[in-house]
Formats: sequence, structure tokens, C-alpha cells
Amino acid sequence: DVVMTQSPLSLPVTLGQPASISCTSSQSLVNSDGDIYLNWFQQRPGQSPRRLIYKVSYRDSGVPDRFSGSGSGTDFTLKISRVEAEDVGVYYCMQGTHWPKTFGGGTKVEIK
Amino acid sequence: QVQLVESGGGAVQPGRSLRLSCAASGFSFSNYGMHWVRQSPGRGLEGVARISYDGSDKDYADSVVGRFTISRDNSKNMVFLQMNSLRAEDTAVYYCAKGFYDSGGWGQGTLVTVPP
Repeated sequence: DVVMTQSPLSLPVTLGQPASISCTSSQSLVNSDGDIYLNWFQQRPGQSPRRLIYKVSYRDSGVPDRFSGSGSGTDFTLKISRVEAEDVGVYYCMQGTHWPKTFGGGTKVEIK
Repeated sequence: QVQLVESGGGAVQPGRSLRLSCAASGFSFSNYGMHWVRQSPGRGLEGVARISYDGSDKDYADSVVGRFTISRDNSKNMVFLQMNSLRAEDTAVYYCAKGFYDSGGWGQGTLVTVPP
């Protein structure tokens, strides 16, 4: 299985400051159709995961533009330009290129 | 917008069966693959099973091969997960999600509990 390694495990951030989460895959995520199925999810306390970013850098509808995704090959990054209180939660990267779909262990974002 | 509603979870004794259902709306269901993901404190998030748009392709996680079966009914916009020979390690919240390679739109989840 493809191993998704996320860092950091915990990310205390001051309101209004930027935040960055890293995700590394154990093998290339380029699919046979040429796409890279790398997603980022946000899970707020008591809620189901919500996709924020798909195919590395495309924002889902309704996702604030302070969230951005980037990367290629095996290294990917989720950035929050200015953290707001509603961004508290756990963030996961997920690859869908290879079966089974695999997830990073999660990064807990909290406010300092 | 995409709406997925899971049902069928509950508490069940080891070795018994459960059938999870997922009702989909807000998109052209028969054009999309679907999959199930589960989440537990000990194992995190895991892809469990996926099915192609027409049901011709199915894949399973190694941990559920031979015990779980995914299926769909495009006339009713439903996807199912038949879970047999349940084990304690199957205890998790099960989510239904849209997509074969992709994973857009998740339901609220249904809890399956299998005691040791």
C-alpha cells in the first residue's frame, strides 16, 4: 500500500498567521489517466471529513481561498494563508491513484 | 449539491453480518464510481471497497477480502456494503463517498460496533 506521511502531527497557530502542512507519498501518485489524485480533507470536531482540495491544487466549491494546495511527484503541501478560528480541526491528505486509497495520519491545527 | 446518507450501522456480535446502505442525490449517480471508507481511533482512515460506475469493477482492502461485498443499484441511486463474518477490528464509522479514483462528497457516516 502507498504510505502517506504527514507532518507536523500538531500545529499550533496564531490567528491571522499562515500555516503549512506537508504530505509525502511512498510512490508516485500520477495515475494512468495523467491525473494526480491527491486530496486534502478537513475534519472538524464531531463532523465527518470534508474535502477541501482535489487533484493537488483544485479548491472545492465553497472552500475559502485562503486554502491552497501544491506539489508534484511525491511531495505535497496544504497552506492556509491566514488561519481563522473556524479552521481548527484535523487535516488529512489522501491518495486515490492506487488502491487501496490511503490517508496520512492527520495534522491537528489548533489556535495558540 | 452532493448528498450521501448512510444507514444500517449498529452493534453486532462477532461473526454476524450487517448491510450498510448509502442513498445518493445531487449528481448523476450512474456516471460515478463510489467507495466506502472507515475511520476508527486505532486504524485511522482506511479505504474499504470501491465500485465502478456500472458495477463492473470492484476492489477491496486486504483486510475485508472475502468478507465484504460492495454493490450498487443505479435505478435507485444506492450503494451497499454487505459485511459478513464481522470482527472486533471492523469497529469504525463507515462513510460512503463519491468517486472511483477521486473522493468528492462524503456522507455523515454510520457507526458499526463489534465487541471483542
